[in-house]
Amino acid sequence: GAGVSQSPSNKVTEKGKDVELRCDPISGHTALYWYRQSLGQGLEFLIYFQGNSAPDKSGLPSDRFSAERTGGSVSTLTIQRTQQEDSAVYLCASSSFSGGAYNEQFFGPGTRLTVL
Amino acid sequence: SQQGEEDPQALSIQEGENATMNCSYKTSINNLQWYRQNSGRGLVHLILIRSNEREKHSGRLRVTLDTSKKSSSLLITASRAADTASYFCATDPANSGYALNFGKGTSLLVTP
Repeated sequence: GAGVSQSPSNKVTEKGKDVELRCDPISGHTALYWYRQSLGQGLEFLIYFQGNSAPDKSGLPSDRFSAERTGGSVSTLTIQRTQQEDSAVYLCASSSFSGGAYNEQFFGPGTRLTVL
Repeated sequence: SQQGEEDPQALSIQEGENATMNCSYKTSINNLQWYRQNSGRGLVHLILIRSNEREKHSGRLRVTLDTSKKSSSLLITASRAADTASYFCATDPANSGYALNFGKGTSLLVTP
């Protein structure tokens, strides 16, 4: 089936505006993750959803960041009042859970966010 | 927080040569995963090795894991120009079980 998809692929916005990034995980994957990658850096964990459990928001850098996952499938990451330091590639991943263990995470192509 | 650290930061080899990248981490893990990234976009999963495994193979890739030294290595044999990419190790900490901790990656350049 299809892999993880993300939209938009690129987003340019002005400082202070709100943006919404969308992630559509692999069908049947109960776990969904958001990461951020700044230029030349590794990935920074933002938030994690597993089934109907409350999300782990421990990686969100500020209260301007929030995420939802509707119906256990599609997720939206919202950044309010964007700042220039929010510029990064935002990556979404999903994974399945079986045998008491999480399996490999499959990543989408990412959304490149540029805040002017 | 970033836990995995790849070494070297950059590696340049010629086609046909083997490439070895190392990863060190700090805390106990459930598993360790290696990913490849081309052009700063989507990551491609290469191999997952669990904490009770010592070595895994996949095609031209060989991954080892030494939990006593908290280290892993990725070997790419008979490299090709298409292997040029950034390679990341990601650890799945035993106390979280989900969010991966990524290193900053090794940038591999394979020249014809």
